[in-house]
Amino acid sequence: AQKVTQAQTEISVVEKEDVTLDCVYETRDTTYYLFWYKQPPSGELVFLIRRNSFDEQNEISGRYSWNFQKSTSSFNFTITASQVVDSAVYFCALSEEVLGGGADGLTFGKGTHLIIQP
Amino acid sequence: NAGVTQTPKFQVLKTGQSMTLQCAQDMNHNSMYWYRQDPGMGLRLIYYSASEGTTDKGEVPNGYNVSRLNKREFSLRLESAAPSQTSVYFCASSGGQYSNQPQHFGDGTRLSIL
Repeated sequence: AQKVTQAQTEISVVEKEDVTLDCVYETRDTTYYLFWYKQPPSGELVFLIRRNSFDEQNEISGRYSWNFQKSTSSFNFTITASQVVDSAVYFCALSEEVLGGGADGLTFGKGTHLIIQP
Repeated sequence: NAGVTQTPKFQVLKTGQSMTLQCAQDMNHNSMYWYRQDPGMGLRLIYYSASEGTTDKGEVPNGYNVSRLNKREFSLRLESAAPSQTSVYFCASSGGQYSNQPQHFGDGTRLSIL
């Protein structure tokens, strides 16, 4: 069975600090997909990134970067020079490939509540 | 550009009452999902519909039923509400025919069962 663990329940940093959110996953499949979502205080879920299991390239988007390491089953998310607007709950999620096509939903971690203090 | 629309946004029910949560998407997506979010639990999948005409159970289906009315609409029904079903419910949809597509979420329905 698939599982996603976000061990950090809450992180609090001062603005402009760098912060890394950890995500460890478990799956028996060789083909799978990893996602990060952001849930700001307003409550909506915002898609941030998708990574395929066969693509271990790290990715950078502005102040955001993601480090995918299959050897440690981790998909960590770093925010550089954090800002107050980054305050949110961040979820890591996993989906496995469905034989024959189709989609069967995401398995989410419990989320990390990130607080950026001014 | 509405995306995924959920109604209602808030609802209070008494134990034993029934209700249907509505969800519609305008992105021509094949797959639709219902999740519930409880404090400290992340989101858990209740039911999903990989394509029009099919529905399948997720991780926590007990106490719920779903209907994929057409490609756009996917409803979630509570036949006899229980306090344990107090939660925030999210509907989502994804395009394509594979599980690699990101899901797009509605704004959620906050449901309280007294």
